[in-house]
Amino acid sequence: ETGVTQTPRHLVMGMTNKKSLKCEQHLGHNAMYWYKQSAKKPLELMFVYSLEERVENNSVPSRFSPECPNSSHLFLHLHTLQPEDSALYLCASSQDLAGTEAFFGQGTRLTVV
Amino acid sequence: AQSVTQLDSQVPVFEEAPVELRCNYSSSVSVYLFWYVQYPNQGLQLLLKYLSGSTLVKGINGFEAEFNKSQTSFHLRKPSVHISDTAEYFCAVSDRRGSTLGRLYFGRGTQLTVWP
Repeated sequence: ETGVTQTPRHLVMGMTNKKSLKCEQHLGHNAMYWYKQSAKKPLELMFVYSLEERVENNSVPSRFSPECPNSSHLFLHLHTLQPEDSALYLCASSQDLAGTEAFFGQGTRLTVV
Repeated sequence: AQSVTQLDSQVPVFEEAPVELRCNYSSSVSVYLFWYVQYPNQGLQLLLKYLSGSTLVKGINGFEAEFNKSQTSFHLRKPSVHISDTAEYFCAVSDRRGSTLGRLYFGRGTQLTVWP
């Protein structure tokens, strides 16, 4: 139990589908993150939220839409994805943006067909 | 922004042998340093971290790492590995100040495979 829970663990979707990834943290943290992990590539930071406000968007295509309704929940809404978007999507949280430690969820393995 | 280099993409070793996984980062300004481990189909788990103080940091599962500021390195070591240590290991760095405060920069990972 890491304190950061992601659902679903696996997701297969067609290019015309709309789906959402969910992340929930039970650690009382104020910052949450979405990372993308593709084979043979470094982890890519996609979005950063602090106190429910988006503070960073690293040139992510608009087919990925994050939402942070409160400090415990983070969503990643997906629509009209491409096969190259297939990857492991990791959610993380930290106490704040001071950078002292991040806690990761187990990830959602996304396959776009 | 930081750049993190993990010099070996794969490290095969035999059980009970010592291992060192190498990590270098680009900037000598104040940083926090981390090693994470990822088992198959899992998220990242923190092994150890350097925030300040002693440059030799001990973590879980018998791992340790040494911060070398002059060489901008943070190599991970274990004196005797077990088969259960087989996993991917990621070095990460975050800036302690500036516009990129708090952002974690990861290396590409090192796959450690322990053979019986």
